[in-house]
Amino acid sequence: QSVLTQPPSVSGAPGQRVTISCTGSSSNIGAGYDVHWYQHLPGTAPKLLIYDNTNRPSGVPDRFSGSKSGTSASLAITGLQAEDEADYYCQSYDSSLSGWVFGGGTKLTVL
Amino acid sequence: EVQVAESGGGLAQPGESRRLSCAASGFTFSRYEMNWVRQAPGKGLEWIAYISSSGSTTYYADSVKGRFTLSRDDSKSSLYLQMNSLRVEDTAVYYCARVLPQRLAFDSWGQGTLVTVSS
Repeated sequence: QSVLTQPPSVSGAPGQRVTISCTGSSSNIGAGYDVHWYQHLPGTAPKLLIYDNTNRPSGVPDRFSGSKSGTSASLAITGLQAEDEADYYCQSYDSSLSGWVFGGGTKLTVL
Repeated sequence: EVQVAESGGGLAQPGESRRLSCAASGFTFSRYEMNWVRQAPGKGLEWIAYISSSGSTTYYADSVKGRFTLSRDDSKSSLYLQMNSLRVEDTAVYYCARVLPQRLAFDSWGQGTLVTVSS
């Protein structure tokens, strides 16, 4: 069981908007630690999509956006494309574990 | 171009040791904090080890503490994960990941190396 909780799967049609939630606790997200999001296709290197809750690294389309409130965070993807089909992970730091923690991952299916 | 590439994976028996390497290129390796993250078959990502840019500080997940040791050789731009007393549950793809400076996010990852622990 992961420290950060994500839905196992989400889906949407091309062009639609989907959101992926990430729920933590008072020792990680709620303690003020930032949330980061990664896109991962099996067999490839995970890719940083969002860092520090809302920031996109250079090269990441603005269709991807992040937000954080209280003990939770969300990743939104607008204008869904077939190439967005992948696994998405949230990550934060946990003070009680003295280390980084990930969500269990969410599989995005583009219908 | 920033690149990190893992190597050293393979088949090991329970109780055996194995050393993974991560070769970095395209950036000044000595200035960056580094981590190892793993993914067991059918499971999500799990952070397992961190090393500071100086190499003086390391942190480990409880699942590997006391069995795994992370080190670095800045002269070779390389990271090493010494894995001892391997268990079946250590079977996973192991990724090397660079820390985004001044942040706690991992901005560059390798493609991973598979370690299979089985008798």
